[in-house]
Amino acid sequence: GAVVSQHPSWVICKSGTSVKIECRSLDFQATTMFWYRQFPKQSLMLMATSNEGSKATYEQGVEKDKFLINHASLTLSTLTVTSAHPEDSSFYICSASLRTSGFEETQYFGPGTRLLVL
Amino acid sequence: GQQVMQIPQYQHVQEGEDFTTYCNSSTTLSNIQWYKQRPGGHPVFLIQLVKSGEVKKQKRLTFQFGEAKKNSSLHITATQTTDVGTYFCAATSGTYKYIFGTGTRLKVLA
Repeated sequence: GAVVSQHPSWVICKSGTSVKIECRSLDFQATTMFWYRQFPKQSLMLMATSNEGSKATYEQGVEKDKFLINHASLTLSTLTVTSAHPEDSSFYICSASLRTSGFEETQYFGPGTRLLVL
Repeated sequence: GQQVMQIPQYQHVQEGEDFTTYCNSSTTLSNIQWYKQRPGGHPVFLIQLVKSGEVKKQKRLTFQFGEAKKNSSLHITATQTTDVGTYFCAATSGTYKYIFGTGTRLKVLA
């Protein structure tokens, strides 16, 4: 149980195009979904927190007009990289949070999407 | 903002040797999670620690939360080649979001 999928797993696009990444929790309804970016050999950097039906909360330094997040349901969140440029090339990972009890909250990560902008 | 540091950054061990990674925060944490990320893969949840001084074990892995709830450690006994990967701690100070540590990359030499 607690499976999170991401689509697509790989994207290669031309500079200036927009790319949409989907994150789905397959067998549970997520309390919250998170979007991270990871550059090679570095840690995961939180980009934004997404709750169903409300605007995403972006971390400092993350442009909300550049990285559009839509959280349509308790099982689906999308991240759109608008007008992508080579510096946006990275590994984008989503996670869905499942609260089991009290303060017990576990994040389940999707397999990630590798974006290469040419 | 909150920062979570991990040491060491890299660790190479011979198969069979023990391994420990440490996670340190300047602020008191509500809880801490540990993840393992294999090369080319995504982070996989290992454990969550909530209580001060808590110790949890998973087979050869021992996780500890400091008494002051500002640090944590992951210890692997008798490493195997399957333990290769990067180990991250992720901590929260009471909000819903977790901040990931800098990670420790483990390489096990057969």
